[in-house]
Amino acid sequence: QVHLVQSGAEVTKPGSSVKVSCKASGGTFSSHTIAWVRQAPGQGLEWMGRITPILDRINYSQKFQGRVTITADESTTTVYVHLSSLRSDDTAVYYCAREAPDDYIWGTGGWFATWGQGTLVTVSS
Amino acid sequence: DIQVTQSPSTLSASVGDRVTITCRASQSISDYLAWYQQKPGKAPTLLVYKASSLESGVPSRFSGSGSGTDFTLTINNLQPDDFATYYCQHYNSFSPIFTFGGGTKVEIK
Repeated sequence: QVHLVQSGAEVTKPGSSVKVSCKASGGTFSSHTIAWVRQAPGQGLEWMGRITPILDRINYSQKFQGRVTITADESTTTVYVHLSSLRSDDTAVYYCAREAPDDYIWGTGGWFATWGQGTLVTVSS
Repeated sequence: DIQVTQSPSTLSASVGDRVTITCRASQSISDYLAWYQQKPGKAPTLLVYKASSLESGVPSRFSGSGSGTDFTLTINNLQPDDFATYYCQHYNSFSPIFTFGGGTKVEIK
């Protein structure tokens, strides 16, 4: 069973960038698809992108294309999301989540069975 | 783009009630739908996937149904622990598409 632990809260200024980490334990890291989902205060959930290291597959939501970069470090079993050109409306809790099942084995999937605890990113001058 | 619309946005109910939340897709999405529960300050937890498959460990009072465009999450015998916000999610890992509904807050009546 995969367990996801995220880095701590961040406070940043408009125009800057932020990098949030998600360390995975359990399972085979490179075979998992890890996604990033964010939630603005009092709002719903929004998918940002995902990475599947074993496939060298990275996809981004069109909304964040050009501002977001998702990477994975297999040596530390950690996935990162980097968001640049931050605005006040990027203030949100950022979650990593494991996508299930492994679609390259089991076919179409895409639900999120395991989540990190969330990282609050505050963008404020 | 496929839109998913949840209703109602807020629901007031009492312990022991049967509660139904609906999710409607703007076009057919087969059974590519999941449901989550989220409590304040916590990450969402998966309840149902493939429209009607109950996630391991989820109480049997939760059930999902539907296919195509119309889906429901039903909670039988509502318990105090069930007061939370619920989200539906359309997914298609090959497209890829991951779209959440706006949420339904279940409040104590």
